[in-house]
Amino acid sequence: EPEVTQTPSHQVTQMGQEVILRCVPISNHLYFYWYRQILGQKVEFLVSFYNNEISEKSEIFDDQFSVERPDGSNFTLKIRSTKLEDSAMYFCASSASRSSYTFGSGTRLTVV
Amino acid sequence: DQQVKQNSPSLSVQEGRISILNCDYTNSMFDYFLWYKKYPAEGPTFLISISSIKDKNEDGRFTVFLNKSAKHLSLHIVPSQPGDSAVYFCAGSGGTSYGKLTFGQGTILTVHP
Repeated sequence: EPEVTQTPSHQVTQMGQEVILRCVPISNHLYFYWYRQILGQKVEFLVSFYNNEISEKSEIFDDQFSVERPDGSNFTLKIRSTKLEDSAMYFCASSASRSSYTFGSGTRLTVV
Repeated sequence: DQQVKQNSPSLSVQEGRISILNCDYTNSMFDYFLWYKKYPAEGPTFLISISSIKDKNEDGRFTVFLNKSAKHLSLHIVPSQPGDSAVYFCAGSGGTSYGKLTFGQGTILTVHP
């Protein structure tokens, strides 16, 4: 079964550093997303991406965040200057339709 | 933002019995609902979905019921198995947000052998 692949599985970074989280969506999917889950809280939408541009973003997705699809397969989330409160599980997802919405296994980001 | 609520933080069920997980929503623009299962340190795994034009969708042991007038949906698992023990999230989408999912807080299901 096709999978969404995320790397790394765990990233530890110092406050103020830049991090890039990587995702390889399912190859025939056209819609790409990032979500995050802070420990003990619900899964929250960050951003959706379609046709090489952001289609929607949440209030969380401020100027510190950016997304990119640098080639035909990768989809990245960059956090420019990490803060302690950015520590969370970050999930990438892709979809071809509303019923085929697949999540990756996540990257645990720890900001120290 | 409490557009999707799962009011039961946990549910404990005996193996072989029915598990019923509930979800309420407030956003009347939602027209598509999904249920996900999640294990610790893994991503959400899709279980079953339902469009607002239906009131029931069934897939094997999993059935989702939608009551639009009450803005309520439920997931039934019959029979429950110990491997079903996980966190279950419901999510809604719709309106101008094509793919954005709004999740509930999750319900921890424990199925005892």
